[in-house]
Amino acid sequence: AQRVTQPEKLLSVFKGAPVELKCNYSYSGSPELFWYVQYSRQRLQLLLRHISRESIKGFTADLNKGETSFHLKKPFAQEEDSAMYYCALSHYSGGSNYKLTFGKGTLLTVNP
Amino acid sequence: EAGVAQSPRYKIIEKRQSVAFWCNPISGHATLYWYQQILGQGPKLLIQFQNNGVVDDSQLPKDRFSAERLKGVDSTLKIQPAKLEDSAVYLCASSLRVVVLAGYNEQFFGPGTRLTVL
Repeated sequence: AQRVTQPEKLLSVFKGAPVELKCNYSYSGSPELFWYVQYSRQRLQLLLRHISRESIKGFTADLNKGETSFHLKKPFAQEEDSAMYYCALSHYSGGSNYKLTFGKGTLLTVNP
Repeated sequence: EAGVAQSPRYKIIEKRQSVAFWCNPISGHATLYWYQQILGQGPKLLIQFQNNGVVDDSQLPKDRFSAERLKGVDSTLKIQPAKLEDSAVYLCASSLRVVVLAGYNEQFFGPGTRLTVL
């Protein structure tokens, strides 16, 4: 069965420090992975997806199939990065359908 | 464009009562999802509609939960009767369609309804 693990519930860094939010997955098929973010009092929204290989707000994430990981990284954290971050796996659920399985989330706090 | 709308935003009920949530997806989005997010957990998919048909309800507790999307637009999720463990945030999301290239299946979330069962 598919599973997404985010080992850290809380992560606190200082402004300007590097940050890495860990995500590991378990899935027998070809994974499609995402990071979603929820800022305070805002809706859950897509941050980035591995297939696009893009950098959003300075964040990047590389899919490592050997380690089954999709860690989110940013070299210099900003206070506005403080938010809840969820790693999500899109997996086949039958027919032509896919669905998302989310990790439990990591609350990132960037201190001034 | 307007985002996904949900109402009510908050609801407090006693156990064994009934409750209903409403969702209006982004215009033109064929796929609609209901998620349950218990405190400290990530969202868990309850049911997924493609237009007005159910494509996945494998994690919906069907003895007490029901959902419909009669005209392929708005949707309601009902709990009857509610239990204490149903206390959670119920999120509605929509996407253009369920696509085979799942990497592009971006879901847009509503603000959620926070349910407290006493």
